[in-house]
Amino acid sequence: QVTLKESGPALVKPTQTLTLTCTFSGFSLSTSGMSVSWIRQPPGKALEWLARIDWADDKFYRTSLKTRLTISKDTSKNQVVLTVTNMDPVDTATYYCAVFGGSGYSFDYWGQGTLVTVSS
Amino acid sequence: DIQMTQSPSSLSASVGDRVTITCRASQSISSYLNWYQQKPGKAPKLLIYAASSLQSGVPSRFSGSGSGTHFTLTISSLQPEDFATYYCQQSYSSPYSFGQGTKLEIK
Repeated sequence: QVTLKESGPALVKPTQTLTLTCTFSGFSLSTSGMSVSWIRQPPGKALEWLARIDWADDKFYRTSLKTRLTISKDTSKNQVVLTVTNMDPVDTATYYCAVFGGSGYSFDYWGQGTLVTVSS
Repeated sequence: DIQMTQSPSSLSASVGDRVTITCRASQSISSYLNWYQQKPGKAPKLLIYAASSLQSGVPSRFSGSGSGTHFTLTISSLQPEDFATYYCQQSYSSPYSFGQGTKLEIK
């Protein structure tokens, strides 16, 4: 059974760095073909894909946020970490992690999401 | 970057209706197109992958078709639990963009 859970601060101040952790079970990120992505959703708005890390440690980022995002993995802990620098109120969103690459290169398993609010 | 455009943005329909949602890609994405359903306060749920393959456990009233730049999601007979927001998403190339969503409401 595949499960994912996001954790991190609920509130950050503008200009701060956000660090989110995705802890998963039911698969290994060292298995060929597996990857984990981060996706966010501002309140009342559409989904935005942010970043992906795969079993070979290849990393991919959203073009408009590339300079602010870093994704990493700790295979021994079954965790993927996303950092977002220089947070702004427009970054207020629910942040999800999801497995990518199972059913036909889709996001077939998702975490419950964690709401991050950026406010002073 | 590939842009995904859904239409309509919102749709009112009744239980039992047949509805179709359209998704267009700004360039060819072959069949690398997925559909998700999202209900308020919940994570999205995968419905259709690779344009037309039904995810395990998803009712057969959901179907997908298309290739290249034009795709559709069809619900053959709406059930009360189908009222939600639907998103298309391309996995042809990074960055893996989503459409803006289609909110399906009860008429």
